[in-house]
Amino acid sequence: DGGITQSPKYLFRKEGQNVTLSCEQNLNHDAMYWYRQDPGQGLRLIYYSQIVNDFQKGDIAEGYSVSREKKESFPLTVTSAQKNPTAFYLCASSPGTDFEDTQYFGPGTRLTVL
Amino acid sequence: AQKITQTQPGMFVQEKEAVTLDCTYDTSDPSYGLFWYKQPSSGEMIFLIYQGSYDQQNATEGRYSLNFQKARKSANLVISASQLGDSAMYFCAMTRRGYGQNFVFGPGTRLSVLP
Repeated sequence: DGGITQSPKYLFRKEGQNVTLSCEQNLNHDAMYWYRQDPGQGLRLIYYSQIVNDFQKGDIAEGYSVSREKKESFPLTVTSAQKNPTAFYLCASSPGTDFEDTQYFGPGTRLTVL
Repeated sequence: AQKITQTQPGMFVQEKEAVTLDCTYDTSDPSYGLFWYKQPSSGEMIFLIYQGSYDQQNATEGRYSLNFQKARKSANLVISASQLGDSAMYFCAMTRRGYGQNFVFGPGTRLSVLP
């Protein structure tokens, strides 16, 4: 079955630690995205990538980093510079970047800072 | 700048009845897409329906239909014959040409279906 996988489902981090969230897709989509969702709120874009080896900052990129070395993978690192990282993180992909292209989402990773 | 407004923080509907979730948008671009997603308590965002700015007909997908009124800049989601499994958060989102397919999401509406 084609789809998007994210791991882990739950992640706990101590203050000062970097953590990496995994996102893999087997849909052969060119574009991938990372969003953050805080309780009771909508989604905010962290980073996106339209092609391999290229990515762009979204609205709230500070304290996060990404890489896109393979088409199917787009890991997100939450660094210690991110002041309030506790949130729900969603990864998405789309076939292209036209306004008609639908984004499909993974199941999400819930990050808690202890 | 684009903006999505969903004015109903919460809605209740009786099982088997129809419900309309409101969405208005603000953009000056002629080419844009409008999407609705469902987010159950598990957290995953599930794509429901898409409407393009140039589409003449309202989009339909099973029990979901989109009431697109371009002049009023509204894209309301209609769910017919509500089921208990429809209880979830619903988000309206839009994209526009030339912006890397970046979504702008509304704040969402929480729908509760009553037995």
